[in-house]
Amino acid sequence: GQNIDQPTEMTATEGAIVQINCTYQTSGFNGLFWYQQHAGEAPTFLSYNVLDGLEEKGRFSSFLSRSKGYSYLLLKELQMKDSASYLCAVREVGTALIFGKGTTLSVSS
Amino acid sequence: DAGVIQSPRHEVTEMGQEVTLRCKPISGHDYLFWYRQTMMRGLELLIYFNNNVPIDDSGMPEDRFSAKMPNASFSTLKIQPSEPRDSAVYFCASSQTGFGYGYTFGSGTRLTVV
Repeated sequence: GQNIDQPTEMTATEGAIVQINCTYQTSGFNGLFWYQQHAGEAPTFLSYNVLDGLEEKGRFSSFLSRSKGYSYLLLKELQMKDSASYLCAVREVGTALIFGKGTTLSVSS
Repeated sequence: DAGVIQSPRHEVTEMGQEVTLRCKPISGHDYLFWYRQTMMRGLELLIYFNNNVPIDDSGMPEDRFSAKMPNASFSTLKIQPSEPRDSAVYFCASSQTGFGYGYTFGSGTRLTVV
């Protein structure tokens, strides 16, 4: 089975940088995804990592270390609209995505 | 494309009643997933289909839950009889084959069983 851990809550201020960590334990790793979910809305796809290293996409970057079972999502130049829940999800070979419980990020001015 | 379409958006029903949730995936997507989200348990996978065939239903809580996909453009999730503990947001998502493709989620159905 899978175990995915991420912090429950984080707070930050506008313009700052925040890093949301995710650790996982799986058998047969086949990719790690990050999703953003605003309150009352559906999750939306942010990023995908299958190889070690950093993937950058605008203000958002995601890092993966497969040997350590570790990933992080880095958000730069925070804006109020970034207040949301961030979900880490892992896919094992031949299965669907399994999600962590999410990290609720609150951005204040 | 209109995205993944779910109906109804909200459903309030009495305990013991049958509930049917509906989903239309994105055209061309060959995977369809049903998830349930609660504060306590987060986003849980219930069942998923590939090319209309159920692949893994190990997440379905019990025999009261059933899901079908009669064709590539329609799926249902049925709860019979419903119980208060089934209250949650139910999401349908679809995807296409390929490692890097994320899932596209529908807007969800908020189910309240009283």
